[in-house]
Amino acid sequence: AQSVTQLGSHVSVSEGALVLLRCNYSSSVPPYLFWYVQYPNQGLQLLLKYTTGATLVKGINGFEAEFKKSETSFHLTKPSAHMSDAAEYFCAVTPMNRDDKIIFGKGTRLHILP
Amino acid sequence: DAGVIQSPRHEVTEMGQEVTLRCKPISGHDYLFWYRQTMMRGLELLIYFNNNVPIDDSGMPEDRFSAKMPNASFSTLKIQPSEPRDSAVYFCASSFNRVLETQYFGPGTRLLVL
Repeated sequence: AQSVTQLGSHVSVSEGALVLLRCNYSSSVPPYLFWYVQYPNQGLQLLLKYTTGATLVKGINGFEAEFKKSETSFHLTKPSAHMSDAAEYFCAVTPMNRDDKIIFGKGTRLHILP
Repeated sequence: DAGVIQSPRHEVTEMGQEVTLRCKPISGHDYLFWYRQTMMRGLELLIYFNNNVPIDDSGMPEDRFSAKMPNASFSTLKIQPSEPRDSAVYFCASSFNRVLETQYFGPGTRLLVL
């Protein structure tokens, strides 16, 4: 079975500072991993995903995430936060090469301080 | 394409009433998902369809919930009778391929059951 743990339901960073949102997963088989973002009063949209190949994945809006198998992690980072990054971020996992549903984490709300 | 369309955007109803939520997926997408989002439980997958056929409804909370997809361009999620604990935001999403491809979310229906 798969599961996702996002550390910190709320994270606050200053504008211009590094953004780090943590995600750890549990999977009995190699995973596909995703980060989605939800802006206020909107549905989720894909930021980036890891399927195979390069473990450092670049997404939209300057975000990137690195798949670390040894740490079972897929943390999301952005070098310099912008006010427009304020949103809720969801990490998700699904098993590779198997037909199964995506499991979402509980989300981390990112606050940007001026 | 207009994206995933959901209606209504907001619904306020009284306990015991029937509620019907509607979704039009992106044309050409063969997977459709219904999710529920609450503060307490986060984002939960209720049911998903492939080519109009329900594949996994293990997330449907109880018999009061039912979902149909009569054709490739329309799906409904029905709650009968509704209860206050059903209050949540309900999202519909669609994708070409369930595992690898991006899920495109609609704007959601915010349901309040009094």
